[in-house]
Amino acid sequence: DSGVTQTPKHLITATGQRVTLRCSPRSGDLSVYWYQQSLDQGLQFLIQYYNGEERAKGNILERFSAQQFPDLHSELNLSSLELGDSALYFCASSPEPGTYNEQFFGPGTRLTVL
Amino acid sequence: AQSVTQLDSQVPVFEEAPVELRCNYSSSVSVYLFWYVQYPNQGLQLLLKYLSGSTLVKGINGFEAEFNKSQTSFHLRKPSVHISDTAEYFCAVSDQGGAQKLVFGQGTRLTINP
Repeated sequence: DSGVTQTPKHLITATGQRVTLRCSPRSGDLSVYWYQQSLDQGLQFLIQYYNGEERAKGNILERFSAQQFPDLHSELNLSSLELGDSALYFCASSPEPGTYNEQFFGPGTRLTVL
Repeated sequence: AQSVTQLDSQVPVFEEAPVELRCNYSSSVSVYLFWYVQYPNQGLQLLLKYLSGSTLVKGINGFEAEFNKSQTSFHLRKPSVHISDTAEYFCAVSDQGGAQKLVFGQGTRLTINP
């Protein structure tokens, strides 16, 4: 158990819908990373937040957005869903930036878009 | 920008045999190197990491990896595998500053046959 929690574990929805994925980082970790794992694209970095502020952006679609709240939990919002958005979405957390920050991964949310 | 190539998508081996999973990377800056393991229906777990110093790094579950700067490789090895090592293995890099987002390879599925 990494200490990172993600809800829900599974999500099934239809094209065009909007969903919210939630991540609670390990106690004390200030950074949250979101990754997408799909069959065709593999594991890709989406976005990082540090202490409530966006810090880095990767291959995140404009239909997707994220935020980190004052209690440090984070939400990833996916809208106008398409079949290709079906994937496993991971959240990872790490402590305050230093020389090196190990990222601890949650169990993931499996999104199925029908 | 960094990229990671895992040279084998699938590696079948017999139980108690040695195994090597190959990883090459490309980067214009200094990087940290990682191997993660993903067991079926689970999140990612860090096996080992190379940050600096000795090029041979030891990780959990009897795995080790060797960093070769001239060949830009970071191959993962285990002298004797067990059925429980059946999983997907991911090689990843991150830059040494900034967000330290992880860039993953496509993964290698290790199947252990009795």
